[in-house]
Amino acid sequence: GQQLNQSPQSMFIQEGEDVSMNCTSSSIFNTWLWYKQDPGEGPVLLIALYKAGELTSNGRLTAQFGITRKDSFLNISASIPSDVGIYFCAGQLATNAGKSTFGDGTTLTVKP
Amino acid sequence: DVKVTQSSRYLVKRTGEKVFLECVQDMDHENMFWYRQDPGLGLRLIYFSYDVKMKEKGDIPEGYSVSREKKERFSLILESASTNQTSMYLCASSGGTFQTQYFGPGTRLLVL
Repeated sequence: GQQLNQSPQSMFIQEGEDVSMNCTSSSIFNTWLWYKQDPGEGPVLLIALYKAGELTSNGRLTAQFGITRKDSFLNISASIPSDVGIYFCAGQLATNAGKSTFGDGTTLTVKP
Repeated sequence: DVKVTQSSRYLVKRTGEKVFLECVQDMDHENMFWYRQDPGLGLRLIYFSYDVKMKEKGDIPEGYSVSREKKERFSLILESASTNQTSMYLCASSGGTFQTQYFGPGTRLLVL
């Protein structure tokens, strides 16, 4: 099956710093999604990207769908303590009947 | 408000026991998913259902089975629990291709 490489695996940052994480794939996706999982909860969708080159923001979060359709990145500006959690990227293919391929996640720790 | 519920947040079972994990969604979604989440391994798809009584194996189906008798309910069954099935189990549902997956809060299963 398709594989997603998500990096970094973990990040330890100070409150107020900006964060950047990315996902790459050896093959293309039609849709890229970014989820956040708070401790003890299920993942929740942050941003969905549907077109190559698309840049979408959701508050302090910005995500882009790579032009090659094989990568995506997520930026968080001015981090705050509640940004703590695991961030997952996911890719979807039109031929894959609604299934998503998930990255291994980036664990973010924010020090006040 | 969208809701996916899972029958238990925490479960402790003995090796060899038959274990049922239940998931219910109230969004009339066609697709339902069971994932397993282990540290550093991201979300791995166990089984997927795209309609009532329809199921498809995911990436790690060995040792698991599923049942979908009603559209809103998707059950994961561990026929004979083993210690290597100790994990966090996440259920999700979606409305179709390119639709967001909505996750339940997860069931943390410990097999002794």
